[in-house]
Amino acid sequence: AQSVTQLGSHVSVSEGALVLLRCNYSSSVPPYLFWYVQYPNQGLQLLLKYTTGATLVKGINGFEAEFKKSETSFHLTKPSAHMSDAAEYFCAVCRPGNFNKFYFGSGTKLNVKP
Amino acid sequence: DSGVTQTPKHLITATGQRVTLRCSPRSGDLSVYWYQQSLDQGLQFLIQYYNGEERAKGNILERFSAQQFPDLHSELNLSSLELGDSALYFCASSVGGAQGNNPEAFFGQGTRLTVV
Repeated sequence: AQSVTQLGSHVSVSEGALVLLRCNYSSSVPPYLFWYVQYPNQGLQLLLKYTTGATLVKGINGFEAEFKKSETSFHLTKPSAHMSDAAEYFCAVCRPGNFNKFYFGSGTKLNVKP
Repeated sequence: DSGVTQTPKHLITATGQRVTLRCSPRSGDLSVYWYQQSLDQGLQFLIQYYNGEERAKGNILERFSAQQFPDLHSELNLSSLELGDSALYFCASSVGGAQGNNPEAFFGQGTRLTVV
């Protein structure tokens, strides 16, 4: 079975500081991995995804994530936080060939301080 | 705009009532997923349909049911509503398929259900 663990339900950073949101997964086969962002009162929007190929994936708004198979991790980073990055971030895993059932982590709320 | 349409956007109803939430997936997407998001439970997977058939079931209560119609739109029916059912209900769609190709899920804007 697949599962996703996001460490830290709330993360607070100063504007301009590094953003690091942690995601670990468990999967019996190499999964597809995703980060979604949810702004207040909106639906989830895809930030980036890893399916195959290069393990460092770049997404929208300057975010990137690295798939580390040995650590079963897919942490999300951004070198310099903006106020507009304040939102909730969800990591998700999908097992290839499983009719695309998605498993979501519990989410991490990012607060950006001025 | 994700291409996934959910109606209505807001719904206020009384305890004990029944409501139907509707979702139109992106054109070409065969999989539809329903999620419930509440403050205390986070994002909970309810159920998934693929091309009209139920494919996966999550933490869906017996009072809730769903279906996907031949035109691929889906409805989530919530009955005997309780105060605790107040939440945001999201629909998502993806291409789906046994090969897991193009697995990205696209989310609608959600239906905010308030049970009073």
